[in-house]
Amino acid sequence: LAKTTQPISMDSYEGQEVNITCSHNNIATNDYITWYQQFPSQGPRFIIQGYKTKVTNEVASLFIPADRKSSTLSLPRVSLSDTAVYYCLVGERAGTASKLTFGTGTRLQVTL
Amino acid sequence: DSGVTQTPKHLITATGQRVTLRCSPRSGDLSVYWYQQSLDQGLQFLIQYYNGEERAKGNILERFSAQQFPDLHSELNLSSLELGDSALYFCASSSRGGMNTEAFFGQGTRLTVV
Repeated sequence: LAKTTQPISMDSYEGQEVNITCSHNNIATNDYITWYQQFPSQGPRFIIQGYKTKVTNEVASLFIPADRKSSTLSLPRVSLSDTAVYYCLVGERAGTASKLTFGTGTRLQVTL
Repeated sequence: DSGVTQTPKHLITATGQRVTLRCSPRSGDLSVYWYQQSLDQGLQFLIQYYNGEERAKGNILERFSAQQFPDLHSELNLSSLELGDSALYFCASSSRGGMNTEAFFGQGTRLTVV
């Protein structure tokens, strides 16, 4: 079963746009792509979810290409408080069912 | 505050023992999900219940079991504990029944097996 992978870490300056990509080439046909943010000693917090093309909410955008084998979380104008670990979550094909799988997580460090 | 309550916050127990973790979902949410987070395995989905019925199963070991009660709270039972079961266990809840949907996580229970 292919793993759902993300870059281990990223660095950014405050005010920049940050794009975090998740590779999920075994995604189940009917499943959504969801992104969560996690601060130390806290549970993950929902950011955004999409199925295809582009989704935007008040905090982020999610870009999904036509083949849905990857997705990119875009955080506009990050601030120090966006320093956290970001996880994608997809259902991967597992026989006739799908298996819910988190990505490996990307640690984002934002500095002044 | 997500509205999801997990107890206890911390638990230390010996190998071979059995523990029960408890989760109270957000008011009105019918789905409860259990996840395990460890350094070597990352975040893993264990199991989902929807309105008292098991809805989806992930990487849950046979030594582990869960249930959701009529008042919608859920319990995760871990038995014959091993050192490798030491991890953070999260519960999440959602108003929807899907396996992958917007869910609200609790603060977790940190289990240490010694």
